[in-house]
Amino acid sequence: GQQLNQSPQSMFIQEGEDVSMNCTSSSIFNTWLWYKQDPGEGPVLLIALYKAGELTSNGRLTAQFGITRKDSFLNISASIPSDVGIYFCAGRIDSGNTPLVFGKGTRLSVIA
Amino acid sequence: KAGVTQTPRYLIKTRGQQVTLSCSPISGHRSVSWYQQTPGQGLQFLFEYFSETQRNKGNFPGRFSGRQFSNSRSEMNVSTLELGDSALYLCASSLMAGDSGTQYFGPGTRLLVL
Repeated sequence: GQQLNQSPQSMFIQEGEDVSMNCTSSSIFNTWLWYKQDPGEGPVLLIALYKAGELTSNGRLTAQFGITRKDSFLNISASIPSDVGIYFCAGRIDSGNTPLVFGKGTRLSVIA
Repeated sequence: KAGVTQTPRYLIKTRGQQVTLSCSPISGHRSVSWYQQTPGQGLQFLFEYFSETQRNKGNFPGRFSGRQFSNSRSEMNVSTLELGDSALYLCASSLMAGDSGTQYFGPGTRLLVL
């Protein structure tokens, strides 16, 4: 089945730094999503991307749908302590008839 | 608007037992998906229900089953529990089937199999 390769697996950064993480696939995806999961909670959708080349922002977060449709990245600018958590990418190969495939997550730690 | 609720939040079972987990979607949402989350495998899709019909099923053994009721609430059942079934089971609801953009997750049920 489809697999998403998400990197890096974990990151330790200083407060105020920018962060970048990405996801790649061997298959073409029609939808890319980015989620954040806090301890003891379910993932929360941050950004949804539906079109190749699309660049979407949500506050300090920016995500892009790669033009090859096989990758996506998420940037976080000026990180703050509450950015700590696990970030997941997810993708769907068609318009909605197949289930989402998730990356294994990037664990972000922010040092104040 | 209340979010997705899952009960129970924590559960301890022994090998061979069976377990039923419950998910109440956001009001008005008709699609419910279930995922298993483990440290080694990450989030893996179990099944999706829409209007009481299973739309998709992940690559899990037949011990894993689910159903959806007319009020969109869903249950999943795992029979003959194995140690490897220990995981966080997440439910997500959305307005329509396959609608990733409106998919909201519940807090999960953490299952420990001893």
